[in-house]
Amino acid sequence: QVQLVQSGAEVKKPGASVKVSCKASGYTFTNYGISWVRQAPGQGLEWMGWISAYNGNTIYTQKVQGRVTMTTDTSTTTAYMELRSLRCDDTAVYYCARVPSYLPLDVWGQGTTVTVSS
Amino acid sequence: EIVLTQSPGTLSLSPGERATLSCRATQSVRSSYLAWYQQKPGQAPRLLIYGVSNRATGIPDRFSGSGSGTDFTLTISRLEPEDFAAYYCQQYGSSPWTFGQGTKVEIK
Repeated sequence: QVQLVQSGAEVKKPGASVKVSCKASGYTFTNYGISWVRQAPGQGLEWMGWISAYNGNTIYTQKVQGRVTMTTDTSTTTAYMELRSLRCDDTAVYYCARVPSYLPLDVWGQGTTVTVSS
Repeated sequence: EIVLTQSPGTLSLSPGERATLSCRATQSVRSSYLAWYQQKPGQAPRLLIYGVSNRATGIPDRFSGSGSGTDFTLTISRLEPEDFAAYYCQQYGSSPWTFGQGTKVEIK
């Protein structure tokens, strides 16, 4: 079955970096994109950006542009999201989600909790 | 950036009742690229509706979506116990994709 499995929880200090992975299975990885969405504690959903697993093209929101890098490894069907210069307000659950062409986020990972605290 | 405003913030209803959730956009949503998601506590969101009115795979027909332009509605015809959750609308027609702030449907 189609599945996205994310890496485990992380605790980081302000100013550090975090890299979250998202292992895809059950479908042809390069036929879809991957988006990353985060949710701060008790808050709503925030779209961070998108990467094409076919050619690596990316779109990032202005809010995280310059601090985020999304990549994919087609040999291992894994997507990655690296966020640098972490701040306390980056504390959130980070989700990866599959993006079919012209369709929204149809399959989601289980989420990765990233806590930024001194 | 398209801002989506959902109302009400919280909807208190009983099982069997009809739920009507609203999502209003600050500008027209391109090509009707409007989706709805359900999220239960501690779980990832689940896609319910895409393209305004198309149910995702496995979604029961008590869920329906409607609307056009800037005004959209998610209707749950008869609430089942498992439907009490948070619901988010999202537009995916213009970058950046944006979500509404959510409507919580709680048991009255």
